[in-house]
Amino acid sequence: EPEVTQTPSHQVTQMGQEVILRCVPISNHLYFYWYRQILGQKVEFLVSFYNNEISEKSEIFDDQFSVERPDGSNFTLKIRSTKLEDSAMYFCASTRGSYNEQFFGPGTRLTVL
Amino acid sequence: AQTVTQSQPEMSVQEAETVTLSCTYDTSESNYYLFWYKQPPSRQMILVIRQEAYKQQNATENRFSVNFQKAAKSFSLKISDSQLGDTAMYFCAFMKHLEEDDMRFGAGTRLTVKP
Repeated sequence: EPEVTQTPSHQVTQMGQEVILRCVPISNHLYFYWYRQILGQKVEFLVSFYNNEISEKSEIFDDQFSVERPDGSNFTLKIRSTKLEDSAMYFCASTRGSYNEQFFGPGTRLTVL
Repeated sequence: AQTVTQSQPEMSVQEAETVTLSCTYDTSESNYYLFWYKQPPSRQMILVIRQEAYKQQNATENRFSVNFQKAAKSFSLKISDSQLGDTAMYFCAFMKHLEEDDMRFGAGTRLTVKP
């Protein structure tokens, strides 16, 4: 059964450093999403991506964040200069159509020191 | 592979009626948490209800209630007196106890409430 994969499973970085979180969506999916969950808190939507551009983003998704689909398979989330409050679990999801069910990856745990 | 299964990709219900969304999960853990999240068109993820596995009593939040069957590993969401604003994607999620960074989501059920 196809699944969404994410790497790394755990990333530790120093405050101010850039990080790139990687996701490989399911191959015939067209819409891609990033969510985050700060430890012990609710899941929050960050951004959706379709046709090589951002279709929607939340208030959380500020200029420090960017997304890219560099090679037609990977879908990346970059945080330019990490802050302590960026420490969270980041989930990637993909779907065939924006109204179809979303398939979530296992998440990347980001720890900013 | 996902450990949370939502077998109904889409459902619809008439306004004011009751609808039940299904969720099953697979785990060998005895203590864990289950959640239902609502995602309206705004994409915001709204926590609807939460259930601790060690509690036998089903959680209830206003018009939302769950039927938690631990032995069957089933966690369905019942929405009573459906309202137009309930139209959304609903995600079931599972989290192991004390592992707040290990949440697993179902694929979602799209619910449409019809006037």
